[in-house]
Amino acid sequence: AQSVTQLDSQVPVFEEAPVELRCNYSSSVSVYLFWYVQYPNQGLQLLLKYLSGSTLVKGINGFEAEFNKSQTSFHLRKPSVHISDTAEYFCACSGGSYIPTFGRGTSLIVHP
Amino acid sequence: GAGVSQSPRYKVAKRGQDVALRCDPISGHVSLFWYQQALGQGPEFLTYFQNEAQLDKSGLPSDRFFAERPEGSVSTLKIQRTQQEDSAVYLCASSLRPGLAEYNEQFFGPGTRLTVL
Repeated sequence: AQSVTQLDSQVPVFEEAPVELRCNYSSSVSVYLFWYVQYPNQGLQLLLKYLSGSTLVKGINGFEAEFNKSQTSFHLRKPSVHISDTAEYFCACSGGSYIPTFGRGTSLIVHP
Repeated sequence: GAGVSQSPRYKVAKRGQDVALRCDPISGHVSLFWYQQALGQGPEFLTYFQNEAQLDKSGLPSDRFFAERPEGSVSTLKIQRTQQEDSAVYLCASSLRPGLAEYNEQFFGPGTRLTVL
C-alpha cells in the first residue's frame, strides 16, 4: 500500500519569490515519484519524475525536486516563480505498480 | 491528434440517467487509464486497459460503472443510473507501453466534468 500527503492545500507567493511545495509519501516497496501540474480546465502535465539515480531531479519550467529517502519526502521547488505558474500541483507515487497514487493537490497562487 | 482528447468536456445529468464519456488516446498508445477526480481531491484510479483488454477494474466504485475499449483505441466510460456522488471530473490518460515494470509516462486528457443534479 502507498499513500501521498501534500501538506499545504494552498500556497500564496509573490512573483519572483522562491517557492517550495511539500510532499511526503509512504510505501512498502521502492517508489517512483512524480509531480504533475494542472492548469484550469486542462489535464495533468508531468513536471518531473524520480525513478532512480540522482536524488535531485530537474523538470520543465524551471522546477526541481529532491528525493529524500530518510524523510520520505519529495518536495518541489522553484527559485523564482512567475504569474503563469499559478496552477494546481499534484504529487504522486507508484511502487512496483502502474497505478499511481495522487496527493490531494496544492494550489499555487502567484501574486504580482 | 497530438494529445489525448475527451468528450464531452461538460455533462449535466439528472439523477438516474445513464451517461457515456469518451476518450481518444494518443494514436499507438497501448495503455489507457480512467481516473475520477472529485472536487478538491487528486485523481483516483478507476480502471486500466492494455489494448482492448481490461486488465484492472479494481477502482470502479460500483457495478453502475462500466468501461470498454473494443478495438484497442477509443474508450468509453459508462455510468448507469447516475447518482449525485458521481459528480466529478473524469480523466483519461494513455501511455505508449504496457504499464508494468519501468515507469511508463501517462499523458492526460482535459477531462469531462460530470454534474449530476
